Formats: sequence, structure tokens, C-alpha cells
Amino acid sequence: QQQVKQSPQSLIVQKGGIPIINCAYENTAFDYFPWYQQFPGKGPALLIAIRPDVSEKKEGRFTISFNKSAKQFSLHIMDSQPGDSATYFCAAKRWAGNMLTFGGGTRLMVKP
Amino acid sequence: ETGVTQSPTHLIKTRGQQVTLRCSSQSGHNTVSWYQQALGQGPQFIFQYYREEENGRGNFPPRFSGLQFPNYSSELNVNALELDDSALYLCASSLPQLGGSNYGYTFGSGTRLTVV
Repeated sequence: QQQVKQSPQSLIVQKGGIPIINCAYENTAFDYFPWYQQFPGKGPALLIAIRPDVSEKKEGRFTISFNKSAKQFSLHIMDSQPGDSATYFCAAKRWAGNMLTFGGGTRLMVKP
Repeated sequence: ETGVTQSPTHLIKTRGQQVTLRCSSQSGHNTVSWYQQALGQGPQFIFQYYREEENGRGNFPPRFSGLQFPNYSSELNVNALELDDSALYLCASSLPQLGGSNYGYTFGSGTRLTVV
């Protein structure tokens, strides 16, 4: 069964902290791993994505670390701000596939 | 450039009724996917439409059906509504890339369906 497991379910950090959200997958056919940010009342918005031929990708304050052998990947948010408070979802799909498999989500709160 | 628009934003239906949700894809996107997001959970893939044909389906029963129109807009129809169908229904549009990949999904804000 295709699954993506995400942890923690919720996370509280102080402004300027570096929240880390972790995901693990089972299906070795997955080869595209995006992260989405969702605010209340809105749909998910793509933040950053990685393919397994690289171990790390940075875009602004967001970094994905990828460990292919462990089938794990994580999102780091540098210098977190209250405006980053949202629910974050990891996902996975086959590059040529049409279905995103989402993790269960992490609700992040960044305190001022 | 317009994004993905969904209607209605909220809907309340009675168990056993039928519902139709609508989605207009982002300009230039010819592929539409539908996802169900239960409260506090990640979205789950229902199905995808490409060139007006169903192009993949998740683990949802046949009472979930869809349509895509020549202008790439789409409908999700759910028959015989059950209480567990209460969720946020998300539409996402994309543009297939060379090699068959689909990435860069743009999600709408969803339709919140409540079944009572």
C-alpha cells in the first residue's frame, strides 16, 4: 500500500527557530517529493519539491533534505516567522504518475 | 493569469442526496485532479481527468464520478451521500510535461461539503 507517514502532527516554535518536519515513504517507485503549505480556508500551495537524485534543495528559507536509502525526507524552515504558521504536507508521486500521495500534515505555530 | 476556482465554497446536503461540485482550471492547464480532504488529514486522490477522459482513479467507490469539458473545467458528482463524505473537496489543475510527468499542481480553495 502506498503510504507517506509524516511527523510530528503539531509543532510550536519561537520566532527565528528552525522547525523540522519529517516524512517517510514505502513505495520505492516514488521519485518526486513536494511539500505543500496550507492556510485555513485555502487549498495547498506548492512550497518546494525534490527528486531523489539530489540530497538537499534550498529555496529561500525552505530546505528539503532527502535520504534515499532510508526512504525519508524532511523540511526545514530557517528563521521561522509568525506568518509561516500553517499546516504543512509532504507528498510523493511517481514522476510519470498522476496521483499525489499526501502525508497526514503538520500544524506549525510560530510564536512571536 | 487566473488560478483554480471552485464553486460553491460551502454546501450542506442531507444523507442520500446527490451533489455536484465545479472547478475551473488555471489558464493553460488541461488536466484536472480531484482530492478529498477530511478534517485534520491530508488530501486523498479521487481521480484525474485529461482530454475529457478519466486518467487514473484512487480508492473511491463508483458513486464518485466526474466530467471534464472541452474548456478543461470539471465537475465532481457524488451520489447517495454518506455522512463520511463530509470533507473539503479540492480541485487541482496541471499541465502534463514531456515524458508524461505531472507536476506543478495548482490547487483551488476547495468546496466544504457537510452531509447531515
